[in-house]
Amino acid sequence: EAGVAQSPRYKIIEKRQSVAFWCNPISGHATLYWYQQILGQGPKLLIQFQNNGVVDDSQLPKDRFSAERLKGVDSTLKIQPAKLEDSAVYLCASSFSGGNNSPLHFGNGTRLTVT
Amino acid sequence: QKEVEQNSGPLSVPEGAIASLNCTYSDRGSQSFFWYRQYSGKSPELIMFIYSNGDKEDGRFTAQLNKASQYVSLLIRDSQPSDSATYLCAVIGGSSNTGKLIFGQGTTLQVKP
Repeated sequence: EAGVAQSPRYKIIEKRQSVAFWCNPISGHATLYWYQQILGQGPKLLIQFQNNGVVDDSQLPKDRFSAERLKGVDSTLKIQPAKLEDSAVYLCASSFSGGNNSPLHFGNGTRLTVT
Repeated sequence: QKEVEQNSGPLSVPEGAIASLNCTYSDRGSQSFFWYRQYSGKSPELIMFIYSNGDKEDGRFTAQLNKASQYVSLLIRDSQPSDSATYLCAVIGGSSNTGKLIFGQGTTLQVKP
């Protein structure tokens, strides 16, 4: 079974620039998550999709972050404009159903450095 | 109060010893509990999940859940240097069934040869 695919693996940008990350979940997984992990901290949920609808985006900084999951498969996460504090690893995860008993599987992440 | 709390460590144990990792959570309605292992520079990988009170064993790993005390732990028997990593406790649940997974900050485990 192919895992969760993410790209790029690394990205370095200057503050105020924009950046986009891409995620392809495990085939058949209805639920897709984007997490932000700052160094030394646990992952923080930014947004959760069920198919192509948003389930939870309560911690997404909507003034600068946006995400979409067209056709209920691939997803993109965009930051515009980036701030220094956005430096983190952005993890995409997917699960089969999104229910309480459906474990998440993570991609390798995108490490973003904002200078 | 954080929703999921862990001692950041580092927890240092000698090779062959039992490592005990602890986690508390604030939402009494939480229903599902997960332990993820994260090596430095890598993404989290699922080790164990537990839904019911009591113990669940898988090889050298045992997860323990006490919902009354809102406490979940992970025991690693016969610890090996390859177990050195950050262990993340994660909780799903509460009143919704949306699968929102909330992580603790992680405990760093060091197993010394």
